[in-house]
Amino acid sequence: QVQLVQSGAEVKKPGASVKVSCKVSGYTLTELSMHWVRQAPGKGLEWMGGFDPEDGETIYAQKFQGRVTMTEDTSTDTAYMELSSLRSEDTAVYYCATFELGSYDYWGQGTLVTVSS
Amino acid sequence: QSALTQPASVSGSPGQSITISCTGTSSDVGTYNLVSWYQQHPGKAPKLMIYEGSKRPSGVSNRFSGSKSGNTASLTISGLQAEDEADYYCCSYAGSSTWVFGGGTKLTVL
Repeated sequence: QVQLVQSGAEVKKPGASVKVSCKVSGYTLTELSMHWVRQAPGKGLEWMGGFDPEDGETIYAQKFQGRVTMTEDTSTDTAYMELSSLRSEDTAVYYCATFELGSYDYWGQGTLVTVSS
Repeated sequence: QSALTQPASVSGSPGQSITISCTGTSSDVGTYNLVSWYQQHPGKAPKLMIYEGSKRPSGVSNRFSGSKSGNTASLTISGLQAEDEADYYCCSYAGSSTWVFGGGTKLTVL
């Protein structure tokens, strides 16, 4: 059974960066494909990007290209999502989720990132 | 990538069946049989209910079923129960290793 535990809530000022972590247990990160999804308050889910096992690359949604970086530390089985140049519209809960068979089967508990001056 | 279109809300009485639609385009839902559905209760992470259009993960009730016709995918919940009240989201492959979610549907059990 995969468990994903994310880092705690963050408050950032506009223009800053945030780095959210997602610690994997029950499997090793190399056995999984990790994606990131966010949800603004009262809004729907939004795919941000993730690892494509077919070509071995990380793919980012066009909306976030140039501002988001997703990385992995296989020595600690921890995935990271860093979003830069934060603006108020980036206030959201950010989820990591494992990707298999075209779907997201395990999710982290979510990390609330608040962007406010 | 535009979000898939879902009705904002649906409702039904206990024991009834409801269907939630998810309309995309020939670039996503219409071309790929890679639609998944998620249930989300308030303050909780989403839960996978249907994958590859119509398959149920282990542990998901057989009251949940998925289908597709053309550019529209559908989630049907039969025998509605109070605990089914939640938000539901569809998700589809959109080509070039990208994915797109629907706007979400709030299900109310009357």
